[in-house]
Amino acid sequence: QVQLVESGGGVVQPGRSLRLSCAASGFTFSSYGMHWVRQAPGKGLEWVAVIWYDGSNKYYADSVKGRFTISRDNSKNTLYLQMNSLRAEDTAVYYCAREAITMVRGVIMPRGLDYWGQGTLVTVSS
Amino acid sequence: VIWMTQSPSLLSASTGDRVIISCRMSQGISSYLAWYQQKPGKAPELLIYAASTLQSGVPSRFSGSGSGTDFTLTISCLQSEDFATYYCQQYYSFPRTFGQGTKVEIK
Repeated sequence: QVQLVESGGGVVQPGRSLRLSCAASGFTFSSYGMHWVRQAPGKGLEWVAVIWYDGSNKYYADSVKGRFTISRDNSKNTLYLQMNSLRAEDTAVYYCAREAITMVRGVIMPRGLDYWGQGTLVTVSS
Repeated sequence: VIWMTQSPSLLSASTGDRVIISCRMSQGISSYLAWYQQKPGKAPELLIYAASTLQSGVPSRFSGSGSGTDFTLTISCLQSEDFATYYCQQYYSFPRTFGQGTKVEIK
């Protein structure tokens, strides 16, 4: 069965760095785009970043652009999020999620995020 | 950036009620819209994609409609397990954006 397991969260001081990992299993990881989504305590969902199945394209939310880097290692079935220059407002549970895909007239189309990890908490505090 | 307005933010309802949640876009997104359910302390779960297609395993009391800028999620007969928070998300363009969420609570 599909499993996504995040790790790497913790307490970090403002301005420092942290790297999150998401270990994938139960599906062909190299065939799927992958996302990071975060949720601040008591708040709604905020999309953070996406990486194409082969790592060829990456997009970021404006709130993290220039500070966060998404990457993947398809040989290790692992997704990463390198977070630099962390701020208090980056405090959140970080989820990795798989982009579901479907074939429409020979074209691969996205159809939402169909599998999510359990999340890892990042707390930015002095 | 596509802005999303989800309403209401809080909905009080009873078991058996029909509830409707709305999601409005700042620009047209065709049918590139998904709905998610999230329960406290859990990751979100995909309910509907392509605005109206039910994800495998999701009960048929959930339905979605709309295209362009206006979308709705309907729960036809609210069950106890449906009390949760619901989010819409557009996947028409980047950055992907979520609605603010609708908490469905017991009346």
